[in-house]
Formats: sequence, structure tokens, C-alpha cells
Amino acid sequence: GESVGLHLPTLSVQEGDNSIINCAYSNSASDYFIWYKQESGKGPQFIIDIRSNMDKRQGQRVTVLLNKTVKHLSLQIAATQPGDSAVYFCAVSSGNTGKLIFGQGTTLQVKP
Amino acid sequence: GAGVSQSPRYKVTKRGQDVALRCDPISGHVSLYWYRQALGQGPEFLTYFNYEAQQDKSGLPNDRFSAERPEGSISTLTIQRTEQRDSAMYRCASSPGPANYGYTFGSGTRLTVV
Repeated sequence: GESVGLHLPTLSVQEGDNSIINCAYSNSASDYFIWYKQESGKGPQFIIDIRSNMDKRQGQRVTVLLNKTVKHLSLQIAATQPGDSAVYFCAVSSGNTGKLIFGQGTTLQVKP
Repeated sequence: GAGVSQSPRYKVTKRGQDVALRCDPISGHVSLYWYRQALGQGPEFLTYFNYEAQQDKSGLPNDRFSAERPEGSISTLTIQRTEQRDSAMYRCASSPGPANYGYTFGSGTRLTVV
């Protein structure tokens, strides 16, 4: 079946550095990709998304990169702040099914 | 409402009992989704609705699980004859329209079956 995996369960970065969280997916038919941030005790919160007709999309301090050739997705966070500490999930979907397949999550720890 | 509201926040039930989990989506949101999240894992799809129509229930683990959204707003996820393996965080999310994946998630219902 379809799977989504993150490369590292935990990422520790220094405050002010850039963070990169990576994700791999298995289904070449996936056409929508999304990153969520989940803080302790809260539900996942939308960060940024990208469709398969793009390879890069930028938001405020965040950039998502999509490489369909190798089925790889990454989230870059610029100038990481303590408030960025959370678990980050990538999720993918295909064919407007309304269903997201989530990865297992990477915990981002920001050191002061 | 301002966000997706789920109740109860916590539910402890004895094995074999039925439970009903409620989700009140953001007002006007057409699509409503149910996910289950185990500790340390990503959310796992259960089912979703557009208006009152259940579009996909492929993620429901077995026939003890059912969901409804009779008036296209509030939804109830029901688990009959609960088992310990049903213990998890159950999350509801809503979005403005079909296949708009920028869901807003609720805070979830933590179900513990003892």
C-alpha cells in the first residue's frame, strides 16, 4: 500500500539556523503534498502545501520543495525559532480523494 | 464556530461498551474528516463526508466503527463493543470544500478503553 516516511524521527537545531525536514513517499500518482505542525496537546496545524505541477513553494519563513523524480518532499524553515519546536508531519494525497496519508513525524528541537 | 470542536475531550470506557464521539466543524465547512492518531504516529484516515454524504469509509478498521453526519454539520463517530486496541486520540477536521486539504483539525478526543 501507499506509504509516507520521514528520514529522521528527531532533528535538533540551534536557534537562528535553518532547518530541513525530509519526507519520502511511495505512490507516483500522488499529486498533492502538505506539511503540518503539531505542538504538544494540540491538533495538527496546516503550514504549507504544494501540488505536483510545482517543484517549489514559499511561505513566510517556510519553503516546500518537491522532487517527483525521486518521490521526495522537504520542508525548509529559515531562521528557526523556539516557537518552531514541534512535531512536523508530511502528508500526501492523490486524485482529489479527500484522504491524506500521513508520515510518522519528525520532532524538531530548537536549542537556545 | 471559530474552530473545530470535539467532545468529550477525554473518554474512559470499559471494554465492551459503546462510545459516541462528537465533532462540530467550522461553520459552513462542507467537508468533514475523521482520523485516528496513535501516540508518536501521524494521523490515520478513517472516513470523510461532503455535506451529509459519506464519501469514503475505507479507513474504518471494522464494522464496529461507524460515522454519520445527518444534517451536513455535526458528525458522530460511534464505536460499538469497544476493545482495548481502540484506545487512541480520535481527531476530526473540516475544510471549506471537497478535496481542500488545508484541513483545520480539532483538539481531539482521547479514548481509553479499560
